[in-house]
Amino acid sequence: AQTVTQSQPEMSVQEAETVTLSCTYDTSESDYYLFWYKQPPSRQMILVIRQEAYKQQNATENRFSVNFQKAAKSFSLKISDSQLGDAAMYFCAYRTGANSKLTFGKGITLSVRP
Amino acid sequence: NAGVTQTPKFRVLKTGQSMTLLCAQDMNHEYMYWYRQDPGMGLRLIHYSVGEGTTAKGEVPDGYNVSRLKKQNFLLGLESAAPSQTSVYFCASSMGGGIYEQYFGPGTRLTVT
Repeated sequence: AQTVTQSQPEMSVQEAETVTLSCTYDTSESDYYLFWYKQPPSRQMILVIRQEAYKQQNATENRFSVNFQKAAKSFSLKISDSQLGDAAMYFCAYRTGANSKLTFGKGITLSVRP
Repeated sequence: NAGVTQTPKFRVLKTGQSMTLLCAQDMNHEYMYWYRQDPGMGLRLIHYSVGEGTTAKGEVPDGYNVSRLKKQNFLLGLESAAPSQTSVYFCASSMGGGIYEQYFGPGTRLTVT
């Protein structure tokens, strides 16, 4: 079974600083995709960033970037210049190429200190 | 575009009662999903559909049924609600699998007493 592990339940960062959220996954597949979703207090799930496993280059979206280590099966999210609006729960998710289903980690709650 | 909408937003049921949650999307997506979110558990897939008239079981399907009679709608039914079904329910849709993004509805908070 595919599993996604987010080992840190909570993290905190000072406004304007950088924080890294960790995620590891377990798979025997070679074709897969990885995602980070954000869930603010409004409860609305929003896609932050995604990565195809076959691409060696790490994905970036403005202040958000990933560190994709395929051999280590690690997919961490880096948030630069943290803002108060980044405070949310963040979920790592995985999907194989042939599968329509996403498997989510348990999430990490990020707080941002002003 | 409204995106993905869910009806109702909140509901309180007594044990043994039944109800249907409605999910609608206006993006012409093929795939639709129902998840439940419980504290410390992340999102767990209940049922999903890869096209009109098709449904399949997810990770936690027991106690739930679904139907996809129209492409834009995906219904989740609880025939006999139990306190263990107290949760926040999310519907999502996507154009396909692979790299395609799942778009989520705002969620339904269900309490079973």
